[in-house]
Amino acid sequence: DTGVSQDPRHKITKRGQNVTFRCDPISEHNRLYWYRQTLGQGPEFLTYFQNEAQLEKSRLLSDRFSAERPKGSFSTLEIQRTEQGDSAMYLCASSLGPSSYNEQFFGPGTRLTVL
Amino acid sequence: QKEVEQNSGPLSVPEGAIASLNCTYSDRGSQSFFWYRQYSGKSPELIMFIYSNGDKEDGRFTAQLNKASQYVSLLIRDSQPSDSATYLCAVIGTGNQFYFGTGTSLTVIP
Repeated sequence: DTGVSQDPRHKITKRGQNVTFRCDPISEHNRLYWYRQTLGQGPEFLTYFQNEAQLEKSRLLSDRFSAERPKGSFSTLEIQRTEQGDSAMYLCASSLGPSSYNEQFFGPGTRLTVL
Repeated sequence: QKEVEQNSGPLSVPEGAIASLNCTYSDRGSQSFFWYRQYSGKSPELIMFIYSNGDKEDGRFTAQLNKASQYVSLLIRDSQPSDSATYLCAVIGTGNQFYFGTGTSLTVIP
């Protein structure tokens, strides 16, 4: 257990529905990252926060995806109008930041299945 | 060209042997390099990080970095069946984004 928690661990939804995931980072970590991982692939960067500021968002990320970290602690990732291609493991990670040397620690992930 | 490239394997080694995992990266300005282990159905777990050219040893694991060749490797000595997993190479690029390779699947045969 790295100290990063995610909720829910599994989510099954129907195409077109909205879903929201939550991530609680290690308490003293300033940076929080979201990734998506599909079978046989490495984690794909989605976005990251430095405290409450969203500093970068992947160019590949659809407008249906949005993330927030309102108080610089926990974060939420929302997917609107889900599609079957959104089925994946969504991983959250945190690091001390902002140094580029800070290693990331991952939560257990939320597995999304879109029917 | 992908930012981080790994041989997907699978790589099989007998128990007790040395497993060698390799990774190349495209961003010459990258400064930080990481190896993660991922068991099936689980999230990645940090094994080692390396920032300077040369070798870094931690127990049975040795990370090697050659920035001139843009090459990172991980050696696992005295491989155990519990080392069977997918090993992910990760790099922090000049834009401070984390880039992961697709991973190398390792099987240690008892």
